[in-house]
Amino acid sequence: EIVLTQSPATLSLSPGERATLSCRASQSVNSYLTWYQQKPGQAPRLLIYEASNRATGIPARISGSGSGTDFTLTISSLEPEDFAVYYCQQRSNWPITFGQGTRLEIK
Amino acid sequence: QVQLQESGPGLVKPSETLSLTCAVSGYSISSGYYWGWIRQPPGKGLEWIGSIYHSGSTYYNPSLKSRVTISVDTSKNQFSLKLRSVTAADTAVYYCARHVASGECYYWGQGTLVTVSS
Repeated sequence: EIVLTQSPATLSLSPGERATLSCRASQSVNSYLTWYQQKPGQAPRLLIYEASNRATGIPARISGSGSGTDFTLTISSLEPEDFAVYYCQQRSNWPITFGQGTRLEIK
Repeated sequence: QVQLQESGPGLVKPSETLSLTCAVSGYSISSGYYWGWIRQPPGKGLEWIGSIYHSGSTYYNPSLKSRVTISVDTSKNQFSLKLRSVTAADTAVYYCARHVASGECYYWGQGTLVTVSS
């Protein structure tokens, strides 16, 4: 099973700042890395698929990069609606696994 | 558009079987994609339970495999989850979702809270 480790666990930033979230895999997932955003009481929302492709309707300030074992989700300038929990997910191999999440909170 | 809706009991007794159904509208399950179940214990992260391919092939989380069955009813355009011998650790919000081979879930149900308690 591929283990995904996200860091930091919590990130405290102000609107307008840049956010950098990390996801590291225990072995290569090639580019089969997905990012989701989840707000309280809601289902996760797909942001990025195959490491760097934005899903439909996702603003350009949100971007993904990386391959192999190290991946980054970057939000270039935080908007109030960006404060949420972010999860990475892989399906390079079964079983599908998720990272433990990064909480992005307002400073 | 594609919509998924979970349904089932919100309370299950320990040692019994948790049964949930995901009704799909806007797309025929038999036409393609993977159809999966993901759960989230209160205040915790996401855990993939298992998926079924439109052809009927199933994939399960090894940690749950001995207790889980996922099946499809194409006549009703829905798929189902059965989790046997539940304990309090199975208390969670259960989501159904549609995903592609590379794993990304484009469509999710709203989630349903299942509590295991006597």
